[in-house]
Amino acid sequence: SQQGEEDPQALSIQEGENATMNCSYKTSINNLQWYRQNSGRGLVHLILIRSNEREKHSGRLRVTLDTSKKSSSLLITASRAADTASYFCATDPPDSNYQLIWGAGTKLIIKP
Amino acid sequence: GAVVSQHPSWVICKSGTSVKIECRSLDFQATTMFWYRQFPKQSLMLMATSNEGSKATYEQGVEKDKFLINHASLTLSTLTVTSAHPEDSSFYICSAIPANGLENNEQFFGPGTRLTVL
Repeated sequence: SQQGEEDPQALSIQEGENATMNCSYKTSINNLQWYRQNSGRGLVHLILIRSNEREKHSGRLRVTLDTSKKSSSLLITASRAADTASYFCATDPPDSNYQLIWGAGTKLIIKP
Repeated sequence: GAVVSQHPSWVICKSGTSVKIECRSLDFQATTMFWYRQFPKQSLMLMATSNEGSKATYEQGVEKDKFLINHASLTLSTLTVTSAHPEDSSFYICSAIPANGLENNEQFFGPGTRLTVL
């Protein structure tokens, strides 16, 4: 159930800088979700954007969705060391019975 | 938000033994739970869909006789890895869908179980 691609695979930036991660998918969707996973831990739901939305904000997070290009981006502004984690996008296609399609993930490292 | 627990959080076992992993929805009823496997530095791979009161639906390539899933109640699904081998070592994660539907289509994930087979 993995069909998405994320880039970059890994990203290392200085604390305070902005981090941008991209996700592409292949089918139509009801919504797209972003999750964070700290090393060896469970998933934390960050934000959900519906197919009829183009941009959404939550704190330091900004998500965009371009359904014509089947792509999404996650921007984390003013990054902190605690943002170091892997970030995954997941899409919810129609008629999927809630099965999510996962991207490969981006490993983000914030250097102090 | 709704809470999903997994037990144990980690387990080490000898090759050939069976290991049972529990996934519980603590404050809601879940008619559907998903079981995922995640290898190091990789994404989640869906193993099976567990439906309360019926047989689980397995993804292609997942052996149903090796990964036994039981969803006997609306708050508990179990995954038993039978005759475990070192290649079964992985991080197993469950997610749960509330029986009363999803708010914002959000699934609730357990914290995961790290299985190491020696």
